[in-house]
Amino acid sequence: NAGVTQTPKFQVLKTGQSMTLQCAQDMNHEYMSWYRQDPGMGLRLIHYSVGAGITDQGEVPNGYNVSRSTTEDFPLRLLSAAPSQTSVYFCASGGSSGYQPQHFGDGTRLSIL
Amino acid sequence: TQLLEQSPQFLSIQEGENLTVYCNSSSVFSSLQWYRQEPGEGPVLLVTVVTGGEVKKLKRLTFQFGDARKDSSLHITAAQPGDTGLYLCAGLNFGNEKLTFGTGTRLTIIP
Repeated sequence: NAGVTQTPKFQVLKTGQSMTLQCAQDMNHEYMSWYRQDPGMGLRLIHYSVGAGITDQGEVPNGYNVSRSTTEDFPLRLLSAAPSQTSVYFCASGGSSGYQPQHFGDGTRLSIL
Repeated sequence: TQLLEQSPQFLSIQEGENLTVYCNSSSVFSSLQWYRQEPGEGPVLLVTVVTGGEVKKLKRLTFQFGDARKDSSLHITAAQPGDTGLYLCAGLNFGNEKLTFGTGTRLTIIP
């Protein structure tokens, strides 16, 4: 079972570049979310979606865009990368709400120079 | 933003000892989850607690949700090296489906 697949696993960008982090799940989950993980700060919610066509902001949405055109995919776009966005990014999916167990991908390690 | 503070931030103990990790907030959550994360991987769910005062056991791990639904604890009995990892609590906010994660406790069990 694939579960939640994130690509790429590693990426290095220059300041000002844009890119899209891909996230796909094959469990037919309605709820999907993006987090960033920084040392000593746990996981911080960037954006989340409760179904196709519906997205909402989390704690730290600035500098990131998302869209949810299908149930399976939830890409995260960095519009103009900044060194402060250097982090490990995790995508998760789960049931019909945040109450359900969240299944995480293995993360994308992103460095902005 | 509803904050979840975990303590201690780091814990290193000998195999066979007992330990407790705490997850505290000033906010009320509709439910609370505990996850464990290994290096290079995403977090994996251990348990969800829903009712104030609820206690759940998972082998040597005991989870408790505070009566007021603002805090939780994880107690490990006779810790094993396989318990090593980053433990994260996560609270579900009422009404908006946001799952807020705690700051994490990095646990190391020394053989």
